[in-house]
Amino acid sequence: AQSVSQHNHHVILSEAASLELGCNYSYGGTVNLFWYVQYPGQHLQLLLKYFSGDPLVKGIKGFEAEFIKSKFSFNLRKPSVQWSDTAEYFCAVNARGGFKTIFGAGTRLFVKA
Amino acid sequence: EAQVTQNPRYLITVTGKKLTVTCSQNMNHEYMSWYRQDPGLGLRQIYYSMNVEVTDKGDVPEGYKVSRKEKRNFPLILESPSPNQTSLYFCASSLSLREMGGSTDTQYFGPGTRLTVL
Repeated sequence: AQSVSQHNHHVILSEAASLELGCNYSYGGTVNLFWYVQYPGQHLQLLLKYFSGDPLVKGIKGFEAEFIKSKFSFNLRKPSVQWSDTAEYFCAVNARGGFKTIFGAGTRLFVKA
Repeated sequence: EAQVTQNPRYLITVTGKKLTVTCSQNMNHEYMSWYRQDPGLGLRQIYYSMNVEVTDKGDVPEGYKVSRKEKRNFPLILESPSPNQTSLYFCASSLSLREMGGSTDTQYFGPGTRLTVL
């Protein structure tokens, strides 16, 4: 069965610190990969996605993620976080040829001003 | 404005009293889905629909029903709610990517429905 693992459930950083959130999935076939963010009191929204091509994808608000196929990973990064990045971040996987989507448990990020 | 709407936003009910949470999207998306969000478990898919009259189970379908009679609407029905269905529910919609052998593109989420079953 497919699964998505997010390594850190809670992360606390100071402003300007660098961020890396881990995401690993278990599925042997081709996948579409997503990172979604849920800001306090707001809808879940897309940060970035990867379907094919350059494994380094850039998203909104300075976020990027790298797909490493050999490691089944899709880690999210940001060089310098801001207080406004405080939110919950979800990694999600959709296997090609199917319409199911599996989400990770989420990582709550708190950025201290 | 492109959006997914859900109603009600908050609901407190009692065990066994049938309820329906509505979901509607105005983006002409083929794909719609329901999730529940619980602390420490992330979002878990309940049911999804690839198109009108086509639905399938997600990972946690027990105790829920859905129907897709129109493209824009995808209601979630709890025939006999129980306290373990207390949760935050999200509806989402997306384009279907048939050229990829079937898969979903970016999902657009509704604002959520917070359900408490006493």
